[in-house]
Parts: sequence; structure tokens; C-alpha cells
Amino acid sequence: GQQVMQIPQYQHVQEGEDFTTYCNSSTTLSNIQWYKQRPGGHPVFLIQLVKSGEVKKQKRLTFQFGEAKKNSSLHITATQTTDVGTYFCAGRGSNYKLTFGKGTLLTVNP
Amino acid sequence: AAGVIQSPRHLIKEKRETATLKCYPIPRHDTVYWYQQGPGQDPQFLISFYEKMQSDKGSIPDRFSAQQFSDYHSELNMSSLELGDSALYFCASSYTHGYTFGSGTRLTVV
Repeated sequence: GQQVMQIPQYQHVQEGEDFTTYCNSSTTLSNIQWYKQRPGGHPVFLIQLVKSGEVKKQKRLTFQFGEAKKNSSLHITATQTTDVGTYFCAGRGSNYKLTFGKGTLLTVNP
Repeated sequence: AAGVIQSPRHLIKEKRETATLKCYPIPRHDTVYWYQQGPGQDPQFLISFYEKMQSDKGSIPDRFSAQQFSDYHSELNMSSLELGDSALYFCASSYTHGYTFGSGTRLTVV
């Protein structure tokens, strides 16, 4: 079945440093979504990417969808303590099933 | 704006008891999903409903069942509870793009 791998599992950065998490799917995706879950909270939808090679920005966050629609990345520029949380990618396959990656837990040292 | 409402927020049950979790999706969202999230884990898909009909089934144990009612709220029924069922249970609803998650029900089985 469809698998979505996400790395790294953990990332600790100093405030102001950049952060990137990567997602790789075993199958071609129709779209990929990104979620953020704060400690003790629930996943919050950030963005959906649909087109091959798509790049979207939300302030300091940059999301990319690979040309083959099998990989994606989330890059945060100049992290802040408010960026702390677990970032999940979730890929939707041709069967419309949404599969979550394992998530990357980001911690930021002020 | 209305969000996905889940109740109860916390639930403590003993082994072999039953539990019922409720979810009220965002009005006009046509699909409801149930996820189970263990500590430090990614959300695991259990079951979904599209327009009150079961649309997909994931790793839901036979001891669990769910339904969506005429008013679109959904209930997850869990019987013969086991210690391993202790987790956060999220309901999410969607219409087109990303999922909107509820705040979850934290189930503790003792």
C-alpha cells in the first residue's frame, strides 16, 4: 500500500536558524497536504499542493511539490519559538486515501 | 467560524468497558474521518463517511464501529476496551481541500 516517509524525525534548532522537513511517497500522489500539530493540540491544516513542481509560500514557510509528485518539502526561514510543533505531511493517492507521514518534531531554542 | 466539535475531551474507562465518542463536523462538510493517534505517533486512519455512508476503512479493530447520523454527527463506538486503545482520537471533516480536525478525545483505559 501507499507509504509516506518523512525525515527527519526530530530537529532542534536555535531561534533564527532555518528548518526543512522532507516527505517521500512510494507512489505518485494526486496532492500533498501539510499539517502542524502543537504539543497537546490537534493537527491544523497548513496547505495543499496539487501541481507538479508547485511552490507555495506562507510568510516564512515555503512548500514544494516535486516534479514527479512523489516528494515534498517544507522549509521554514528564520525559525521562531512559535514554530515549535510536529509538522506532518499527508499524501493523497489515486484511491483518494490520505496517508500521513510520521511527522517531524521541531523544537526551537530561544 | 464553526469548528469540528468532539466530545468528551477526556474519557477514562476500565478494561473491557465500552466507550462512545462523538463528533460534530463543520456544517456543509460532506466527509467525516476518524483517526487514532498514540503518543509521539502520526494519526492513523480508522474510518470515514461520505454523506452518511461509510466511504473507507483503515486500521479499525473489529471491536470498534462507527456511524454517521442524519444530522451528520458521527459516533465511534469502542467495545471490549484494551490498554492499548489508550490514545487521542481525532475526528476531522472536509469539503474540498484540507481536513479540519477537532480537538480530540483523550481516551485512557486503565
